[in-house]
Amino acid sequence: LAKTTQPISMDSYEGQEVNITCSHNNIATNDYITWYQQFPSQGPRFIIQGYKTKVTNEVASLFIPADRKSSTLSLPRVSLSDTAVYYCLVGESRNAGNMLTFGGGTRLMVKP
Amino acid sequence: EPEVTQTPSHQVTQMGQEVILRCVPISNHLYFYWYRQILGQKVEFLVSFYNNEISEKSEIFDDQFSVERPDGSNFTLKIRSTKLEDSAMYFCASRGAGQASNQPQHFGDGTRLSIL
Repeated sequence: LAKTTQPISMDSYEGQEVNITCSHNNIATNDYITWYQQFPSQGPRFIIQGYKTKVTNEVASLFIPADRKSSTLSLPRVSLSDTAVYYCLVGESRNAGNMLTFGGGTRLMVKP
Repeated sequence: EPEVTQTPSHQVTQMGQEVILRCVPISNHLYFYWYRQILGQKVEFLVSFYNNEISEKSEIFDDQFSVERPDGSNFTLKIRSTKLEDSAMYFCASRGAGQASNQPQHFGDGTRLSIL
């Protein structure tokens, strides 16, 4: 499984755009990139997933450069409720198994 | 939006006792998972389950652990003889059919297991 590296923590202010970058230098051809969000005492919540270029949904955007060795989660206009831990995961697309390997994540603190 | 539900939200058990954690996955999902998170640590994979059998399991998932899908809606994790180090949040997850790249795993809010 490809190892991921992301900042331990980040601070931001309400209304700002937040970009969290994850590096995954050993990503394999079949690997896709997934981001989860976790609040205290809750389960991880799926945010966005992609393979290459850019993916956007109602919550976030995911930017993946051509070499796929990194990815950036972009959260537009964050609010206090976006304070959480954000996990970048890289894994192979398989029908069965498909265990997710979580790292330490990035602890985002949004301040008023 | 459909969600994974887990019960109980908090379970307190004496060491050595058996405990069963229950999960109701999203109704049309076919792949099921258990993870755990010890306080302050990373989320760790325990086991995946598909087509009524274990697909993959981690080293944590030893003979004290078992999983079962007793009916069409529930998915359970049993710990036969609990140890103090089993204290953790246990998360159930499920995903739909098809390639995992198109079907992310959806997690419940967990059961906090406290072993005394």
